[in-house]
Amino acid sequence: DTGVSQDPRHKITKRGQNVTFRCDPISEHNRLYWYRQTLGQGPEFLTYFQNEAQLEKSRLLSDRFSAERPKGSFSTLEIQRTEQGDSAMYLCASSFSSGANVLTFGAGSRLTVL
Amino acid sequence: AQSVTQPDIHITVSEGASLELRCNYSYGATPYLFWYVQSPGQGLQLLLKYFSGDTLVQGIKGFEAEFKRSQSSFNLRKPSVHWSDAAEYFCAVGPITGNQFYFGTGTSLTVIP
Repeated sequence: DTGVSQDPRHKITKRGQNVTFRCDPISEHNRLYWYRQTLGQGPEFLTYFQNEAQLEKSRLLSDRFSAERPKGSFSTLEIQRTEQGDSAMYLCASSFSSGANVLTFGAGSRLTVL
Repeated sequence: AQSVTQPDIHITVSEGASLELRCNYSYGATPYLFWYVQSPGQGLQLLLKYFSGDTLVQGIKGFEAEFKRSQSSFNLRKPSVHWSDAAEYFCAVGPITGNQFYFGTGTSLTVIP
């Protein structure tokens, strides 16, 4: 297993454009999380899935953000009409659902909105 | 409300010196506790975790942490720091409500020769 993979690692876009990030979790993990991290801050929870079901969303996840995990494997996070305030590192993590959870993170996707 | 506090934004230590990074949490019961490390431009790597049992836990890279219930603390320690330990360190608690993990704001560690 290669761990949690995220693509792209870096994305530079102009304000108003749409962007999509992909996350491939560890194959045995049925929980998948998205976090956002801005400079000098810790990761902030955005949303999480158990299998294909999106079970929780943060208030940080505005209407411009949508996440999917259609087959319970990989997930996508789309940001529509990007704003400069969306510039951040978007982190994906996965875990088992049984027992005590330990998050395994990917390397992140850094978004810069010009 | 649940929260994690890392009071030290930045710490500088000499290589070979000991290290202690502080973490305090606010929660109604004993949560699961974690320390993660993040190198520049990278994701977070788990250093160690506490779920229950022995309050002194050992992790990777020679790190250890001690859970003190009376102080709501989970401080990270290393007896002798190496230059490669320079990174950002995050304390986290979870899962609390739902399945959210809460992270502190991090402590940036600089190691000087």
